[in-house]
Amino acid sequence: AQSVTQLDSQVPVFEEAPVELRCNYSSSVSVYLFWYVQYPNQGLQLLLKYLSGSTLVKGINGFEAEFNKSQTSFHLRKPSVHISDTAEYFCAVSRTLHDMRFGAGTRLTVKP
Amino acid sequence: DTGVSQNPRHKITKRGQNVTFRCDPISEHNRLYWYRQTLGQGPEFLTYFQNEAQLEKSRLLSDRFSAERPKGSFSTLEIQRTEQGDSAMYLCASSHRADYNEQFFGPGTRLTVL
Repeated sequence: AQSVTQLDSQVPVFEEAPVELRCNYSSSVSVYLFWYVQYPNQGLQLLLKYLSGSTLVKGINGFEAEFNKSQTSFHLRKPSVHISDTAEYFCAVSRTLHDMRFGAGTRLTVKP
Repeated sequence: DTGVSQNPRHKITKRGQNVTFRCDPISEHNRLYWYRQTLGQGPEFLTYFQNEAQLEKSRLLSDRFSAERPKGSFSTLEIQRTEQGDSAMYLCASSHRADYNEQFFGPGTRLTVL
């Protein structure tokens, strides 16, 4: 079965600095990869997804992620963060699109 | 904005009581999913429906849990004889046949079992 490890539980960063949230997955078969964001008291919102094709995926709010098959990673990046990016970020892996497996989450805190 | 809605948003109950949660998916979304999220963890898949058919259940879904989607629209998740370990956020999501890749999540129902 597939699984996801988010390597950092908390990432503090100053406004306008770059950020990388790390995600590694394990699976013996090809998988689909996702990043979701959860703002306080709201449901999860899809940031971006990798299904196939180009390994660099661009999402909403200026985020992007790169699929690296050899390192089984799917790290999320943003070149310049805003206060409004403060939220919980979840990496997820799926083999069949309905059996999504989520990581434990990374809390991104953007400081002024 | 008619997103996924869940009711109630919060539920406090005593151990041993039964509880039922409701999820209304986005209109015309034929897949509906239930997840459980405990503090400090990501969501864990519980079960999903395609129309009214329940196609998969996680081993996390003990026999005290039952989910239904009788008319292929809203769904209910019932927990019988609640235990303190059932305290969690219960999330519902839905997706459309045109793009099963994207699941749209509701705000969740937070259950506290005393």
